[in-house]
Amino acid sequence: EIVLTQSPGTLSLSPGERATLSCRASQTVSSNYLAWYQQKPGQAPRLLIYGASSRATGIPDRFSGSGSGTDFTLTISRLEPADFGVYYCQQFSRSQWTFGQGTKVEMK
Amino acid sequence: QLQLQESGPGLVKPSETLSLTCTVSGGSISSSSYYWVWIRQPPGKGLEWIGSIYYSGSTSYNPSLKSRVTISGDTSKNQFSLKMSSVTAADTAVYYCCSSYYYYYFALDVWGQGTTVTVSS
Repeated sequence: EIVLTQSPGTLSLSPGERATLSCRASQTVSSNYLAWYQQKPGQAPRLLIYGASSRATGIPDRFSGSGSGTDFTLTISRLEPADFGVYYCQQFSRSQWTFGQGTKVEMK
Repeated sequence: QLQLQESGPGLVKPSETLSLTCTVSGGSISSSSYYWVWIRQPPGKGLEWIGSIYYSGSTSYNPSLKSRVTISGDTSKNQFSLKMSSVTAADTAVYYCCSSYYYYYFALDVWGQGTTVTVSS
C-alpha cells in the first residue's frame, strides 16, 4: 500500500499570499494518478487537480500542481478568502485509492 | 451532468450491518468509463477509501475493511450499494459515494453530498 504524507499539517497565511502544499509518497506514484482535493467545513471534497498537474473543470488557474515520482506539490498562487480549507492529495494504483492526511490552510 | 445521492439509515446499532445506497443520475453505472467508489470521513478526521465497483461487477476493498465490506451494483435501478457488517463506534462517519472517471485518471470527480452514519445503541 502506498502511504501519502502531507506537509505541513497547518498553513497560516493571509489573502494574497502564496500557498505551497507538499505530498510525499512512500513509493513511486505514476504522475497520471495523483490528484488534489479541497474540502470546506460541512461540504464534500472537490477535485482540483488530476494527473498531478491538470486542473479539473472550472478550477481557477491560481491552482497548480507539479511533481513526479514520490514528491508532489499543490500551489495556490494568490490566496483568496474562498481558498481556506483542508486540502488532500490522493493516489490511485491497482484499483485502490489512498489519501494523505490533509493540510489545513487557515487565515492568519 | 452526473449526480450522486447517498441514502440509508443515519443510526445503526453496534454489531449490526450498515447499509447505504448511492443513486446515480446523469450517467450509467454500466459505463466502462467509471469506477463507483465509497469513501468515509470520521468526525474531525481525514478521508478513507472503503471500496469500489467497476462496470463489470468486479470489486476492490480497503484491506483494513475487506472482511466486513461488500459493494454491489443494481443496473436496473442505476444504483450501487455498501454493506458493512459488525459495526462499532469507530465506523461513525460521513459516508460519500463518488464516481472515478478514466478521463481524470480515475480521480474522484463527482461526489455525493454525504450521509452521516452514527453507530450507537
